Formats: sequence, structure tokens, C-alpha cells
Amino acid sequence: EPEVTQTPSHQVTQMGQEVILRCVPISNHLYFYWYRQILGQKVEFLVSFYNNEISEKSEIFDDQFSVERPDGSNFTLKIRSTKLEDSAMYFCASSPGGGGGWQPQHFGDGTRLSIL
Amino acid sequence: AQKVTQAQTEISVVEKEDVTLDCVYETRDTTYYLFWYKQPPSGELVFLIRRNSFDEQNEISGRYSWNFQKSTSSFNFTITASQVVDSAVYFCALSEWVTGGGNKLTFGTGTQLKVEL
Repeated sequence: EPEVTQTPSHQVTQMGQEVILRCVPISNHLYFYWYRQILGQKVEFLVSFYNNEISEKSEIFDDQFSVERPDGSNFTLKIRSTKLEDSAMYFCASSPGGGGGWQPQHFGDGTRLSIL
Repeated sequence: AQKVTQAQTEISVVEKEDVTLDCVYETRDTTYYLFWYKQPPSGELVFLIRRNSFDEQNEISGRYSWNFQKSTSSFNFTITASQVVDSAVYFCALSEWVTGGGNKLTFGTGTQLKVEL
């Protein structure tokens, strides 16, 4: 069964540094997402991406965040100047076209980001 | 704004017991979709079941069943004959269609299920 893959599984970065989290969504999916889960808390929506554009972003997704689909397979989340509070598990997800909100999102295994 | 409430923080059961996880949601949309996801100790999020707002028929799939009641805005999930491998955090989520494309999930805070021998 096709799956969403994320790399790296764990990223340790010094505060203030830039970090790029990478994702390969399921190949025939059209919609791509990033979510964040601070340890022990709920999963929070960051951004959705469709047709090479951001379709929706949350209040968390401020100017230090950006997303890109540089080629036909990868989907990246960049955090420009990391802060301690950016430490979290970041999940990438994708969903197929059609069906409105009916289609389930398929999640990757996540990247644990630790800011020192 | 969408909101999902999972009042049960943690549930402990003995293997083979049935367990029901509660979920209450708030939305102004007339058409919406609800999901349950499982997060085992390894951390990944696994899609389990879904329900749309215009079909209140309850369903059973293997050991899983769900009870959707629009009148009380509840979408409860039951595991029959629980097993140790069911131990995980279970998240209820409400889907909101995004105008620009895609659907945004609002998650509840999760219920930690512990199944013991």
C-alpha cells in the first residue's frame, strides 16, 4: 500500500537555525498538508497546499514558515529561524482529489524536531 | 470555528473488554465529515474510520463500530473485545473543506487507551 514518507525521522537544530523537513506524499494525491504535535498535546493544522499554492494556513503558520513543492514528488516545510517552541513532531499528510472533505488524509510517520 | 472535544483523557481496560471512546464536535457547516485516527506508541497517525454528516447509519467493521448522532453532535467509537495491540492514543477529527482546495482537520485532544492483560 502506498504511503507518505518523511525525512529525517529526528532533527536536532540549534535555536535560530533554519531547518527543512521533507515529505514524499502518495503519488496520485492532489492535496498536501503539514500538521504539528507538541509533545503530549493534540495534533494542530499548519497549512494545506494545492495546485502549487497554499490554500489555507493557521495562525501558527507565520512568516518564519514556508512550504514548497520543488518537483513532482517532494513537499517541504521550511522553518527559517527556529525557536525553542518549535520543538514538536511535524506530520506531513496527503489526500486524493474528489469527494470534498470525505477523503481521509494519510499521514507520514512524522519528523521529531528538537530545538536546542 | 470547528471544535472537537474528547472528555476522556485516559481509559484502562482489561483485554477482551469492550471500550467506547467519546467524541463531541461543534461546527456551523451543514455538511461535514468526521474521522477517527489511532496513534500507537511508535507515533504515526493511522486512519481508522470516517462518517459524513448526512448518513446517521451506524456501522460495524470487524471489531470497530461507531455511533454517530447528529442531534447530540457526538461521534463515538467502540472497540469490541479489546486487545493489547489496541493500546494507543485515539483522536477524533472534524474535517472542514478549504475553499482553495483540500480539507483541514481539527483534532480533539485524544484519549489514551491502555489495554492490559
